[in-house]
Amino acid sequence: GEDVEQSLFLSVREGDSSVINCTYTDSSSTYLYWYKQEPGAGLQLLTYIFSNMDMKQDQRLTVLLNKKDKHLSLRIADTQTGDSAIYFCAAGGYQKVTFGTGTKLQVIP
Amino acid sequence: EAGVTQSPTHLIKTRGQQATLRCSPISGHTSVYWYQQALGLGLQFLLWYDEGEERNRGNFPPRFSGRQFPNYSSELNVNALELEDSALYLCASSLRDGYEQYFGPGTRLTVT
Repeated sequence: GEDVEQSLFLSVREGDSSVINCTYTDSSSTYLYWYKQEPGAGLQLLTYIFSNMDMKQDQRLTVLLNKKDKHLSLRIADTQTGDSAIYFCAAGGYQKVTFGTGTKLQVIP
Repeated sequence: EAGVTQSPTHLIKTRGQQATLRCSPISGHTSVYWYQQALGLGLQFLLWYDEGEERNRGNFPPRFSGRQFPNYSSELNVNALELEDSALYLCASSLRDGYEQYFGPGTRLTVT
C-alpha cells in the first residue's frame, strides 16, 4: 500500500521561507495534497496538485512535485506566526487518500 | 455554507463500553470518510461511505463499524473499547467523485 513520509519538525524565523518535504511510494497516486491542522482543530485543505503537474502556486504557497523521485514539497513564503501548525502531506485519489504523520512547523517571532 | 460537523466534541468512556460518534457532511457531499488520529501516529484511514454503502475499510478490527444514513450523515461505532482507542476521530466529506476531502473538527474520545 501507499506510504507517505514527512519529517516531524521544522523551525523557522518569522519572515523566512519554510519548506516542508514529503515522499510517497505509490507512483499511481493521482493527487497530492497539503493539509494544515491548528491545535484542537480538524484538517484544513491548503492546496493540492495533480500528478501531471510539476508546480502550483497559490499566494504564499508553492507546491513542487518531482514525480521521478516521488517527492513533494510545500514552500511558504514570508512565514508568519499564524502559520504555526502541523502540516500533513497526503497522496492518493478519490477512492483512498493516505496521510503522512505530519510536520510540526514552529515559527519563531 | 456550513462545513462538516461532528458530535460530540469530547467523549469519555470506560474500557469495554461502546462509543458512537456522529458526522454531518457538507450539503451536497455524498461521501463520508472516518480517520483516527492517535497521538504521534498521524491519520489512519478507518472507513469510507458513499451513497449509504461502505466502499473501503482501513486496517482496523471489526469492532470499528459505522453506517451512512439516507441524508448522508454518518455514524461511527466502536465496540468493546480499549485504552488504545483513545484518539481524535476525524470525519471528512467529499463529492461522490471528488478529490477534495473537507474535514470536521473531530471528536476527542478518551477511554479510561
